[in-house]
Amino acid sequence: DGGITQSPKYLFRKEGQNVTLSCEQNLNHDAMYWYRQDPGQGLRLIYYSQIVNDFQKGDIAEGYSVSREKKESFPLTVTSAQKNPTAFYLCASSVGAALLYGYTFGSGTRLTVV
Amino acid sequence: GQQLNQSPQSMFIQEGEDVSMNCTSSSIFNTWLWYKQDPGEGPVLLIALYKAGELTSNGRLTAQFGITRKDSFLNISASIPSDVGIYFCAGFLISNFGNEKLTFGTGTRLTIIP
Repeated sequence: DGGITQSPKYLFRKEGQNVTLSCEQNLNHDAMYWYRQDPGQGLRLIYYSQIVNDFQKGDIAEGYSVSREKKESFPLTVTSAQKNPTAFYLCASSVGAALLYGYTFGSGTRLTVV
Repeated sequence: GQQLNQSPQSMFIQEGEDVSMNCTSSSIFNTWLWYKQDPGEGPVLLIALYKAGELTSNGRLTAQFGITRKDSFLNISASIPSDVGIYFCAGFLISNFGNEKLTFGTGTRLTIIP
């Protein structure tokens, strides 16, 4: 079955460390997105990519980095520059016409800084 | 970045009650989507709306695309325990055409009281 896989489900990081969250999709979708979710704040866009080797900053890109070397993969690195990284991170993909079909989401990664 | 205004922010209801929630925007949308997020999981698409005035059902769920194109409504009839979760509206903003990403609402958290 096609879908989006995020790993790991839970991640613990020490302050000052970089950490990379994985997102893989086998839906043949062109576009991929990373969102951050904090309690009571809805979904905030971090980065998105509409084609391979190209990506754009979202609303809260500071302290994060991404790459899109393959269509299927869109990893997110949370750097030590991110002041408050503890959150639930969601990856999503779309055919390219979000207008018609919306996004398909992964099951999320909960990152906790210890 | 813009977020849609969703209300109410939270609802506490008894099993069997009907539920209504809405989403409003200062901008015109040409697609409205409703998602549900179970605790600790990613959002799942419930209903998609493409035309002003459109009324669409999915089982006990009914959603409407407002005729002004600036709002949408979701109703759940005869709620059951598995309806618990966070409901998000999402819209595709006309000005984003060619730069396709959705705008999400702030979410409505539904709790069923035993």
